[in-house]
Amino acid sequence: SYELTQPPSVSVSPGQTASITCSGDKLGDKYAYWYQQKPGQSPVLVIFQDTKRPSGIPERFSGSNSANTATLTISGTQAMDEADYFCQAWDSNTAWVAFGGGTKLTVL
Amino acid sequence: QLQLQESGPGLVKPSETLSLTCTVSGGSISSNSYYWGWIRQPPGKGLEWIGSIYYSGSTYSNPSLKTRVTLSVDTSKNHFSLKLNSVTAADTAVYYCASEVRNYNYFDYWGQGTLVTVSS
Repeated sequence: SYELTQPPSVSVSPGQTASITCSGDKLGDKYAYWYQQKPGQSPVLVIFQDTKRPSGIPERFSGSNSANTATLTISGTQAMDEADYFCQAWDSNTAWVAFGGGTKLTVL
Repeated sequence: QLQLQESGPGLVKPSETLSLTCTVSGGSISSNSYYWGWIRQPPGKGLEWIGSIYYSGSTYSNPSLKTRVTLSVDTSKNHFSLKLNSVTAADTAVYYCASEVRNYNYFDYWGQGTLVTVSS
């Protein structure tokens, strides 16, 4: 299997920048993906192929991926961004879809 | 835009088989752009990939569940299905189906999810 590690929680003040990390062995050699999940809702893709935003995702969401760490950055964080965020990668060696354990983002 | 909808029993007895179907609308399940995946989420916990199937019937699945998982696809009905046998309380979760972008293996559209409880 392939493991991805995220911090359980991150806090940020409104208007500030939030950074959520995702660590995995040589993750930078793979694509990283990020999903946002609000309570009682299905996950929503917010970043694909490390840095790309799907249509409809605000520009304040951005991503990067290098070495062993991928990072989701939310600039000018808003109250509506409070949610759980999950990273995901595909490990071709083991044909395994890996999810990180998730990070609860609190905006306070 | 694809839409996916899970259906199936919300309550399954221990040792029995969990069966769910995902109906795809807004596109063809026979698209060569997608695999079709199942992901689950136990209450209050994270996401766990179960397995994925291509319209041709080719599958790959989570090794920790592989011996209990059966995936199938019905192109005539534009739906795909999951069977998980010998369930226990640990299989209680919200089960999601999703479209998995082929060659990149990420999920761009998700169903609303369905809670399956394993209890006698």
